[in-house]
Amino acid sequence: QKEVEQNSGPLSVPEGAIASLNCTYSDRGSQSFFWYRQYSGKSPELIMSIYSNGDKEDGRFTAQLNKASQYVSLLIRDSQPSDSATYLCAVDTNAGKSTFGDGTTLTVKP
Amino acid sequence: KAGVTQTPRYLIKTRGQQVTLSCSPISGHRSVSWYQQTPGQGLQFLFEYFSETQRNKGNFPGRFSGRQFSNSRSEMNVSTLELGDSALYLCASSLKPRGNADEQYFGPGTRLTVT
Repeated sequence: QKEVEQNSGPLSVPEGAIASLNCTYSDRGSQSFFWYRQYSGKSPELIMSIYSNGDKEDGRFTAQLNKASQYVSLLIRDSQPSDSATYLCAVDTNAGKSTFGDGTTLTVKP
Repeated sequence: KAGVTQTPRYLIKTRGQQVTLSCSPISGHRSVSWYQQTPGQGLQFLFEYFSETQRNKGNFPGRFSGRQFSNSRSEMNVSTLELGDSALYLCASSLKPRGNADEQYFGPGTRLTVT
């Protein structure tokens, strides 16, 4: 079992729809959770961080964390073609280990 | 505020050679982490430095090493290069060490090709 698993892609949604990206993690000692967006040929760009259970909203993005279920998700509302990228889920444990999922590739079709 | 910078951006080396990559963190950031990204293995943690001390190391052979200077700039060295070392090497910086509810920001990466 991988330490951080993301829903297998690719994910395709029409413009204006909600894109839902999911991530599960295995280490119960994990405390910090991040979502990054990576365009082809570029480096990861931080979108959201979340540290406590519940929802955190930033513009069109909402991160959701459920530590009991070891689950974190990212919702993108009103998806735009410019949101087409690979989304990486990252998890930090208290021991300072950073682990990334393999990423989910999102395509938003006009 | 300037972002994380990495030099060089592209590098071509021959098997058996060694290479040194450089990373300058965001001003004020004291933690620098290095990652290797390949299509097959994804983004994998190499090591993290904070205040010139290595705090954590990923599952990479001893050929991969690093250091951090007093100004928080960091270098990564790979000795005896192998074809499988071809990858995008990314560094990321943060104010606090990893595991302390702090965000890290990535540099543009160094694309290393080993022939």
